[in-house]
Amino acid sequence: EDQVTQSPEALRLQEGESSSLNCSYTVSGLRGLFWYRQDPGKGPEFLFTLYSAGEEKEKERLKATLTKKESFLHITAPKPEDSATYLCAVRTGANNLFFGTGTRLTVIP
Amino acid sequence: EAGVAQSPRYKIIEKRQSVAFWCNPISGHATLYWYQQILGQGPKLLIQFQNNGVVDDSQLPKDRFSAERLKGVDSTLKIQPAKLEDSAVYLCASSLVLVLDTQYFGPGTRLTVL
Repeated sequence: EDQVTQSPEALRLQEGESSSLNCSYTVSGLRGLFWYRQDPGKGPEFLFTLYSAGEEKEKERLKATLTKKESFLHITAPKPEDSATYLCAVRTGANNLFFGTGTRLTVIP
Repeated sequence: EAGVAQSPRYKIIEKRQSVAFWCNPISGHATLYWYQQILGQGPKLLIQFQNNGVVDDSQLPKDRFSAERLKGVDSTLKIQPAKLEDSAVYLCASSLVLVLDTQYFGPGTRLTVL
């Protein structure tokens, strides 16, 4: 059965305190792993797509990496405006986009 | 470039009433998706269209939910009759074509069923 698990459920960081969010998956035929950011009351906003183990993508203070079993979203020196829920999703062999439950990040000034 | 548009943004109804949501995808995007997001969970796919044809509706509760995309552009999702457990945010997303393309989401419609 396809499964996506994100950890931790919630994370509180001081401004400037770097950390990582985890997305572990077991799917039949990975055809892409996606990271989205979701602010309260809004739809998910696309951040990155990763397709193969060893791939890395960066955008400002965020860096996403992918292995055969998990992906990490590294946040370097976060700012309060990085506070949001970060969602991980995998596209399976059946072309369905399957989401995890998200990590709720709070960055304290 | 305009994003995915959805309306209404909020809707409150009594159980057993009916409700409809509208979505207009990004111009030129052939594929349209409807998701349900229950509070504290990730979005769950309900149905996906390629132009005006259904690609996957395996997760759509067809006894009460229906969706159409008649001209291959905008789409309507309907619930009739609504149940308490249908309270959620209904998200619409679109992508250029089906395989490997990034999905872009609208702001969602928050439905509360009393």
